[in-house]
Order: sequence, then structure tokens, then C-alpha cells
Amino acid sequence: EVQLVESGGVVVQPGGSLRLSCAASGFTFDDYTMHWVRQAPGKGLEWVSLISWDGGSTYYADSVKGRFTISRDNSKNSLYLQMNSLRTEDTALYYCANQRGRYSSSSHPFDYWGQGTLVTVSS
Amino acid sequence: QSVLTQPPSVSGAPGQRVTISCTGSSSNIGAGYDVHWYQQLPGTAPKLLIYGNSNRPSGVPDRFSGSKSGTSASLAITGLQAEDEADYYCQSYDSSLSGLAVFGGGTQLTVL
Repeated sequence: EVQLVESGGVVVQPGGSLRLSCAASGFTFDDYTMHWVRQAPGKGLEWVSLISWDGGSTYYADSVKGRFTISRDNSKNSLYLQMNSLRTEDTALYYCANQRGRYSSSSHPFDYWGQGTLVTVSS
Repeated sequence: QSVLTQPPSVSGAPGQRVTISCTGSSSNIGAGYDVHWYQQLPGTAPKLLIYGNSNRPSGVPDRFSGSKSGTSASLAITGLQAEDEADYYCQSYDSSLSGLAVFGGGTQLTVL
């Protein structure tokens, strides 16, 4: 059974930093591209970032570029999101999702999603 | 504003058919990128509903179907049931952005 379990979400002040983690199991982690997607309270889904199987290719939404860094540790079947210079508009439930294929392709959907971890940016 | 445009809400009575549109442009759906659909039941994570424009993952009822034409895609739900009440999102890729993946703004389906 595929499982994606996010953690690390807390309340943080504007300008602060946070590192989210996503523990994966039930599939061959290094055969998959991994994504972070967020959902602000009462709002829709917003794609945040993706990372290829080996970490060699990363992409970011314009809203987080230069502030967030995605990474992975295939030896630990884990995905990470380092979030710096946090803003109130970063408040959201952050999901990790897997995508079949070592490199991102529009042909492959986001197969499985975790339950999310809540990040609240507030003073 | 989302790159992919969906109606904020649709509704239908049990047993009826509803469709949800997803309108893009020449840099995303019109560029040939596949469209995928996700269902988000209240208080839960999104779940894959349709992939590759019109394919259903195992376990998804054939009441759900997808199509794509030009710069738009559609999700159709026939024989509406109460448990279909959820938010639905389309997703594709866009070549004009520094990132890659994009979502529609989401459509809330109400079963009357």
C-alpha cells in the first residue's frame, strides 16, 4: 500500500523558516518524481515544486522561487521542502504527491497524495 | 487567477448528468499536454479520478469520464450520487511558466 506521510507543519512568524518532510513507502521511491502541492484555507490547489528521481532537476512555482528548496533522500525514502522567508500568504496545508517516472512528464498524473501538514505563518 | 479556468460551482439532482469544464490556452492544454482530474471529498486529500485526458484508474466508477479538445477539457459525471459531492480539479502542464504543473481553480459539485 502506498503511503505518503507529511510532517513538520507548525505556526511560524513571518520571515521565519521551516522544513517539511514527507516519508514514502509502498513504492520504489527512486522510480518516481515527487511534488509538493499546497492548499490555502478554503482555497484551491496550488502546485509548489517538483524534484526528479535523483534531485538533478527541480522546478518551482513563481510564488515560492528563491525562498523554497525541494530535496530528497532516496536512502531514506524521504522528500523535503525547506521554506525560508515565510510570508502570511504561505499559510496552507502542504501535500506531497508522487508521479510515476524518473523525470516529470505531463503524461503522468499525481498518483497518490499524503494527508498534508499545516503551515501557519502568523505573528 | 488560475492558468486553467473552471466554473466555481455546478449542481445536479441525483441521477442526473453534470459536466465540469477546464479551459486553458495554447501554452498548456492546447500545446498537447495531458489533462488529469482529481476529486477532493470534504476534509480529505485529493484523489486521482481521470488521467491522460480520458482514462480511469482502477476502482473509479465508469460514471466518470473525461475528454479533451483544443484548449479545453471536460469531466462528465453521469448518474449523480450523493457521495459525488466534492471539489474537482483539473491539472496539466504549462510551457510559459518557470514552473511546470498547473491546476484549475476547482469546481464545487453540489448534489441537490
